[in-house]
Amino acid sequence: EVQLVQSGAEVKKPGESLKISCKGSGYSFTSYWIGWVRQMPGKGLEWMGIIYPGDSDTRYSPSFQGQVTISADKSISTAYLQWSSLKASDTAMYYCVRESGSYDYWGQGTLVTVSS
Amino acid sequence: AIQLTQSPSSLSASVGDRVTITCRASQGISSALAWYQQKPGKAPKLLIYDASSLESGVPSRFSGSGSGTDFTLTISSLQPEDFATYYCQQFNSYPLTFGQGTRLEIK
Repeated sequence: EVQLVQSGAEVKKPGESLKISCKGSGYSFTSYWIGWVRQMPGKGLEWMGIIYPGDSDTRYSPSFQGQVTISADKSISTAYLQWSSLKASDTAMYYCVRESGSYDYWGQGTLVTVSS
Repeated sequence: AIQLTQSPSSLSASVGDRVTITCRASQGISSALAWYQQKPGKAPKLLIYDASSLESGVPSRFSGSGSGTDFTLTISSLQPEDFATYYCQQFNSYPLTFGQGTRLEIK
């Protein structure tokens, strides 16, 4: 069974750093792109970027380029999304997704709350 | 970036109704379009890929059509569990983009 399991909810202060994770199982992790999608409270879905764990090829949305870093450790089938300095506007639910021409599997989401 | 515009943004309908949601791309995307359903507090769920292919396990009352710039998602006979928000997404070129969503509510 294909699964994407994300790390738990986080509460952080502005300026702090954060790295959230997404562990894939039940399929060949290095053979599919893994993407990240943001959903701010009460809002729609936003595509942030994507990584191919096989060779770490990464693409970013211009809206998120330079704001976040996407990475992966294929030895433990895990993708990451990280921030070096969080802002209150980063408060959102973040989903990881597996791409196979569409987003066929989604993680359960990681809620990130940034508040002073 | 390719913009996707969904219409309507919200829709009220009754159980048993036939409903159509439209997604228009700012430039041609061939058939590289997917549709998702999202219920409150849950991750989105894939319904349709490649514009018209039904994802495994999705009821046949859902169907998709279109190519190029104009796409539709149709629910042939609304069921109570279909009241949710629906999103389209294009896979033609990076950055991948989503429509703004269509909220389907009970009349």
